[in-house]
Amino acid sequence: EPEVTQTPSHQVTQMGQEVILRCVPISNHLYFYWYRQILGQKVEFLVSFYNNEISEKSEIFDDQFSVERPDGSNFTLKIRSTKLEDSAMYFCASLVQTQYFGPGTRLLVL
Amino acid sequence: AQRVTQPEKLLSVFKGAPVELKCNYSYSGSPELFWYVQYSRQRLQLLLRHISRESIKGFTADLNKGETSFHLKKPFAQEEDSAMYYCALRDNTDKLIFGTGTRLQVFP
Repeated sequence: EPEVTQTPSHQVTQMGQEVILRCVPISNHLYFYWYRQILGQKVEFLVSFYNNEISEKSEIFDDQFSVERPDGSNFTLKIRSTKLEDSAMYFCASLVQTQYFGPGTRLLVL
Repeated sequence: AQRVTQPEKLLSVFKGAPVELKCNYSYSGSPELFWYVQYSRQRLQLLLRHISRESIKGFTADLNKGETSFHLKKPFAQEEDSAMYYCALRDNTDKLIFGTGTRLQVFP
């Protein structure tokens, strides 16, 4: 059964550095999402993406965040200048009828 | 406001006991509700969606619009059911709004 994949599984970075989190959605899916989960808190919506543009973004998704589908298969989330509070698990999901989640990237900002 | 509430952070039962994981929602439109499960070190997986009205791994959930609830039930818990369970609501833009999750521990 096809699955959403994410790389890396873990990333440690210094505050102020840029990070790029990568996702490969399921191939025939057209809608893509990023969610995050800060330790001990709920899974929160960040952004949805369809037809090569953002469909919706949450208030968390400020100017430091961007998403891209650079090559028709990868779907990336970039954080330009990481802050301590960006430390979280980041999940990618793709949709057809229901959302299928990737395994997540654990980001730790020091 | 759109909200999903799971009042229990932890639910501990013995094997063979009945389980009910509570979920309440607040949504102005016609809700579509899901239960996702996350086993240790694994991804979030869809367990149930209310519109399919199916039973997966012995779990069922019924949408009660009067009580705005979508509780997850299983008559006889198994040790392999131990996991985090998340109730989620799909809004009219297709994004999911999650509850805070309930950790189910099933003891032998």
